[in-house]
Amino acid sequence: KAGVTQTPRYLIKTRGQQVTLSCSPISGHRSVSWYQQTPGQGLQFLFEYFSETQRNKGNFPGRFSGRQFSNSRSEMNVSTLELGDSALYLCASRADRDEKLFFGSGTQLSVL
Amino acid sequence: EDQVTQSPEALRLQEGESSSLNCSYTVSGLRGLFWYRQDPGKGPEFLFTLYSAGEEKEKERLKATLTKKESFLHITAPKPEDSATYLCAVQKAPGTASKLTFGTGTRLQVTL
Repeated sequence: KAGVTQTPRYLIKTRGQQVTLSCSPISGHRSVSWYQQTPGQGLQFLFEYFSETQRNKGNFPGRFSGRQFSNSRSEMNVSTLELGDSALYLCASRADRDEKLFFGSGTQLSVL
Repeated sequence: EDQVTQSPEALRLQEGESSSLNCSYTVSGLRGLFWYRQDPGKGPEFLFTLYSAGEEKEKERLKATLTKKESFLHITAPKPEDSATYLCAVQKAPGTASKLTFGTGTRLQVTL
């Protein structure tokens, strides 16, 4: 069974640009969540999608948004990038009624 | 505000030298406490979930315990392959297991 796949693996952008990150969950998993990981703050929850609906949202500004497609694949978008958005963005999927999160290897975003 | 504090930040052990990692938490309404392991360049990997004070879980050389204020991850006779960052996270009730509050982790290095 394939794991969680995130693309691209690395991304370099400049301030003010926008970026879209992609995540393909494990087959059969309907829940997809996104986390931001930085050395100082650790992992911080961004949002969770389930069956194309946002189910939970963390404390991030509106520049961070996401969506989920009917095949459970998910994208997150960050508009008007700031230097502080440089981080590892992790996607995780979870099976129904299971507590285990399965994480992808992440997208390393650098904002210059 | 929910808070998870892990100590120490970094730990260096010799192979076979047992030790414990600490996770202190403050959360109103704990639904579950999670331990994940993260290797460099990879996403976190699930280890354990603990739900109530007094609960213990074991996996190979690892044993996790839970009290009302903290959790410990005991590592018995560690091997170099146990080197990783160990992350503790809490799930608040009500809420899904996708929305976790993480600590910043303990970086463990096991040397020969």
